[in-house]
Amino acid sequence: QQPVQSPQAVILREGEDAVINCSSSKALYSVHWYRQKHGEAPVFLMILLKGGEQKGHEKISASFNEKKQQSSLYLTASQLSYSGTYFCGSEPYGQNFVFGPGTRLSVLP
Amino acid sequence: DGGITQSPKYLFRKEGQNVTLSCEQNLNHDAMYWYRQDPGQGLRLIYYSQIVNDFQKGDIAEGYSVSREKKESFPLTVTSAQKNPTAFYLCASSIDDGPNTEAFFGQGTRLTVV
Repeated sequence: QQPVQSPQAVILREGEDAVINCSSSKALYSVHWYRQKHGEAPVFLMILLKGGEQKGHEKISASFNEKKQQSSLYLTASQLSYSGTYFCGSEPYGQNFVFGPGTRLSVLP
Repeated sequence: DGGITQSPKYLFRKEGQNVTLSCEQNLNHDAMYWYRQDPGQGLRLIYYSQIVNDFQKGDIAEGYSVSREKKESFPLTVTSAQKNPTAFYLCASSIDDGPNTEAFFGQGTRLTVV
């Protein structure tokens, strides 16, 4: 079953922060985050494994709470280059990896 | 440069015709995947292969077929049985299919059936 992402879309001004959430109804082994710019291939951002770890990628970080089956992606001081659609992907135990529907992020000057 | 290549970028076909999308990787990855992306939706898994000469159905395999005769190649055939084939198709590969491995995506093939 596909994870749920919220919000569906968000518009920011340069320098503002944003949080994208991803939740699953099933117990997860890992959560992946990808960003896709319009007409391009998705690009890997980070993987979080169970254990409540946090990871960072430049000014983008994420957390994973396996008890709540949730992950959040934090974008700090957003830049124009952050615009795109962000997908979380989850891997329930014993099941195929599945992507969420995506969150469209637009960063305006 | 290592990477994953899909061809063609755009493909037009008449309804009722089978069409094959190419996916080649030179990353020496064992696992390869095919996803379908529709506007406003996420990526849905069609087929995946963990190793040469082996592949498994994903969530939306009906109307599609694949082969994995070589490690570097994983072509996808969209058959006439696929009821709504117009979509953006993405191929990906990873070192293996473990939970801690990132996927590398090709640039995609946009298929339009008229």
